[in-house]
Amino acid sequence: DVKVTQSSRYLVKRTGEKVFLECVQDMDHENMFWYRQDPGLGLRLIYFSYDVKMKEKGDIPEGYSVSREKKERFSLILESASTNQTSMYLCASRGRQGGPQHFGDGTRLSIL
Amino acid sequence: DQQVKQNSPSLSVQEGRISILNCDYTNSMFDYFLWYKKYPAEGPTFLISISSIKDKNEDGRFTVFLNKSAKHLSLHIVPSQPGDSAVYFCAARGGGSSNTGKLIFGQGTTLQVKP
Repeated sequence: DVKVTQSSRYLVKRTGEKVFLECVQDMDHENMFWYRQDPGLGLRLIYFSYDVKMKEKGDIPEGYSVSREKKERFSLILESASTNQTSMYLCASRGRQGGPQHFGDGTRLSIL
Repeated sequence: DQQVKQNSPSLSVQEGRISILNCDYTNSMFDYFLWYKKYPAEGPTFLISISSIKDKNEDGRFTVFLNKSAKHLSLHIVPSQPGDSAVYFCAARGGGSSNTGKLIFGQGTTLQVKP
C-alpha cells in the first residue's frame, strides 16, 4: 500500500511566520501535489512537482512556495502566513505509470 | 471558473436505498474521471474511476456512469450503508495530464446514510 505521511496533523502559527509543511511518500512516485481543502470549495491545487527540483504552479499558488530536493519529500512553504491561509492542507502522490493520486491524512493549519 | 461542479452540497438517504451523487464538467478535453471518498480527519481515498471512452464502470456496490454529451457523471451506491457516510469528491483529468495525473476536483457532496 502507498503511504503518504504529512508531518503534522494540527498546527497553529501566527500571522507573518514562515511555515513549513512536510510530506513524504514511500512509493518512489514521480508526481507529488499540494492541495488545500475549504468548505464549499473542494480541493484546490496549490503546486505540484513531476520530478526532483521540478515544480509547477497550480490554481492558487499565491503566498506559497514549494521545495522538492529529494524524490520522496515535497515541502509546502508559507512565506509569511496570513489568516486567510487557515485551512486543511493535503499532500498527494502518484506514479508516472498511472493510477489514482494517493493522499496523506492532511494538516489542519490555523493562522492566528 | 469551476470546471468540475458538484451542485448538491449534501444528500441524505436511508440505509439499503440507492445513493446517487452527481457531477458536471465543462471541459470536453477531460479524459479520465475519478471519485474519492473522505472521512473527517482523514485524507481522501480513491473509490472508482472511468475513462472517457467508457460510459459505465462497476466495482461492487459502486457504479460510475459517464454521459459525455451532457458532460455529466454520477456515482451510484447500492445498497447504501451507514459506513458510506462521508464527503464524496468528483475529479477530472485533462487530456494532457496523463503523465502527471493532475486533477481538478469538484466542491464535494456530503452523504449521510441513516440507519
